[in-house]
Amino acid sequence: EAGVAQSPRYKIIEKRQSVAFWCNPISGHATLYWYQQILGQGPKLLIQFQNNGVVDDSQLPKDRFSAERLKGVDSTLKIQPAKLEDSAVYLCASSLGGNSPLHFGNGTRLTVT
Amino acid sequence: AQSVTQLDSQVPVFEEAPVELRCNYSSSVSVYLFWYVQYPNQGLQLLLKYLSGSTLVKGINGFEAEFNKSQTSFHLRKPSVHISDTAEYFCAVTLNNAGNMLTFGGGTRLMVKP
Repeated sequence: EAGVAQSPRYKIIEKRQSVAFWCNPISGHATLYWYQQILGQGPKLLIQFQNNGVVDDSQLPKDRFSAERLKGVDSTLKIQPAKLEDSAVYLCASSLGGNSPLHFGNGTRLTVT
Repeated sequence: AQSVTQLDSQVPVFEEAPVELRCNYSSSVSVYLFWYVQYPNQGLQLLLKYLSGSTLVKGINGFEAEFNKSQTSFHLRKPSVHISDTAEYFCAVTLNNAGNMLTFGGGTRLMVKP
């Protein structure tokens, strides 16, 4: 089966600019997650979707970050405006739900200068 | 809230030697436990998981982990490592009524030397 697809792989922007990341989960996976992984740290959950609804976004900095999954399949994560501390790898993961395992994409590495 | 501590940020080891990567968690309720591996420039891949039953869990690539409730630990072991095991390893926990909302530890970099 095809894995979780993310694009772009790398992105370099200046602070105060905007950026968007895209994720296509594994077909049939109802649950989708966005994680932020800062260099040298473990991934931190930003937001979890169940189909097109948000399950948890308590750690999403909502003043600058937004995410959507309008049709319950693909998802986009946006940062506007970016700060230097947003430099990280943004990982998308999907699962069938319940206790089924998460499948991760290869991530988007964001560098904010 | 639950938390995960990986006591070693880096573990250097020679090829064919045994290795143990330590993980301790904190939670006031029952949890599920996971180990993930991350190779350079890639996403995370599930190595093994503990949901219930036998406390000794076997995973892929010859890894195993033992759940110790009294010590709140879930250490990862492999009896003989290969160069290809060089990667970042993450321990993660989720509350067993919270689906897959994982909380990750800070990671341990395993460096296998020839």
